[in-house]
Amino acid sequence: AQSVTQLGSHVSVSEGALVLLRCNYSSSVPPYLFWYVQYPNQGLQLLLKYTSAATLVKGINGFEAEFKKSETSFHLTKPSAHMSDAAEYFCAVSEARSSASKIIFGSGTRLSIRP
Amino acid sequence: NAGVTQTPKFRILKIGQSMTLQCTQDMNHNYMYWYRQDPGMGLKLIYYSVGAGITDKGEVPNGYNVSRSTTEDFPLRLELAAPSQTSVYFCASSLRPGTGPYGYTFGSGTRLTVV
Repeated sequence: AQSVTQLGSHVSVSEGALVLLRCNYSSSVPPYLFWYVQYPNQGLQLLLKYTSAATLVKGINGFEAEFKKSETSFHLTKPSAHMSDAAEYFCAVSEARSSASKIIFGSGTRLSIRP
Repeated sequence: NAGVTQTPKFRILKIGQSMTLQCTQDMNHNYMYWYRQDPGMGLKLIYYSVGAGITDKGEVPNGYNVSRSTTEDFPLRLELAAPSQTSVYFCASSLRPGTGPYGYTFGSGTRLTVV
C-alpha cells in the first residue's frame, strides 16, 4: 500500500527566506509523486510532478522538488518566499505503470509567510 | 475552457435531509473522482469512475452514492445527511488513471455543513 507523510502541519517563514516543505512516501513499486497547492477557498492546483525522468523537478512559481529514492523523500523548496506563496500544500503519490491505483494525498502543510 | 465545475459552492443541510453535489467537466476526461477534505486530514477518496456507467468505492464511501450516466457529469448524492458529513467536497478529473503522470484537475469545491 502507498502512503505519504508530510512533516509539519504548519510552516512559517519570513518573506525572502527559504521555503522547505517535507514529504516522505512509502510505495512498494516505483512511484509518481506530486505537489499540489491550495489557495484559500479554491481547489487544488498541480504545482509539479515527478514521473521517473529527472530527479530534480521544477514547477510553477519558482518551486522545485527533488526525488531521493534512498531517503524515500520528495521535499518541496523555494529559494525566496513571497507573500503570495501563503497556501496549503499537499504531497501525493501514485503507482507508476499501474492502471488500478489512484492518487493518495498527504494531510497537507499550511505555509504562512511573515512580512 | 471551464475545466471542472462544481455546484453549489456552499450549502447548509439539516440532519436527515438529502442533496446532490453536482460535478461536470468539459475536457472529455474518462476518469472522475470525489474527495472530501477535513481539517488536518488531507483528502480522502469517496468514489471514483473510470468511464460512463462505471463507478467504484474509494476509502470512505459510506453515506454517499454516485452515478455516471455521461462522460461529463459525476454527481454525488447524500441520502441522509449526518453531522459527520460536514466537510469540503472536491470533484476531480483526469485524462488517464490516477497513476499516470498527469495529475488531476480539481473543481473549486463545495463547502457543506450539516446541522
